[in-house]
Amino acid sequence: AQSVAQPEDQVNVAEGNPLTVKCTYSVSGNPYLFWYVQYPNRGLQFLLKYITGDNLVKGSYGFEAEFNKSQTSFHLKKPSALVSDSALYFCAVRPRSGNTPLVFGKGTRLSVIA
Amino acid sequence: KAGVTQTPRYLIKTRGQQVTLSCSPISGHRSVSWYQQTPGQGLQFLFEYFSETQRNKGNFPGRFSGRQFSNSRSEMNVSTLELGDSALYLCASSPDRVGQETQYFGPGTRLLVL
Repeated sequence: AQSVAQPEDQVNVAEGNPLTVKCTYSVSGNPYLFWYVQYPNRGLQFLLKYITGDNLVKGSYGFEAEFNKSQTSFHLKKPSALVSDSALYFCAVRPRSGNTPLVFGKGTRLSVIA
Repeated sequence: KAGVTQTPRYLIKTRGQQVTLSCSPISGHRSVSWYQQTPGQGLQFLFEYFSETQRNKGNFPGRFSGRQFSNSRSEMNVSTLELGDSALYLCASSPDRVGQETQYFGPGTRLLVL
């Protein structure tokens, strides 16, 4: 069965510093990979996804993620963090074949400190 | 385009009651999925509907059911509520069958069971 691991429950970073939110997955073959963000009392907002092609994916609000097949990782990055980036971030994965739903990681809470 | 809408936003019920939650997808989207979000379990997949047919079902008891109408609107029902059903219920829509499609989430319905 497929699974997603977000090894850090909490990430703290100073405003202006680069940020990384880690995600590794266990899925047979090359999956579809997604990142979502959730602000308090809100639903999930789509940030970016990897389908095929360039391993570096650029998304909304200056975020990007790099697909690393050998390390089965899809870490989310941003060169310069903003206080407004503070939120809960979810990585999600879906296999390319079969009729399986999107599987989410447990989430990582990002706190950007001014 | 209007986003995914969910009604009601908040609900308080007592054990043993039943509840119906509603989801209106983005116009033109034919796939609707439901998720349960709790602090302990994270995001758990409930079901996916496409063209009024349930295409996938998560590992939840039969008390959880859903349906989709011809206009793609969807409802989920939970009968004989238990305290553990307290959660944020999220609906997500996508243009077509889930796969590489991006799912867009509504704000959720927060259910409290007393």
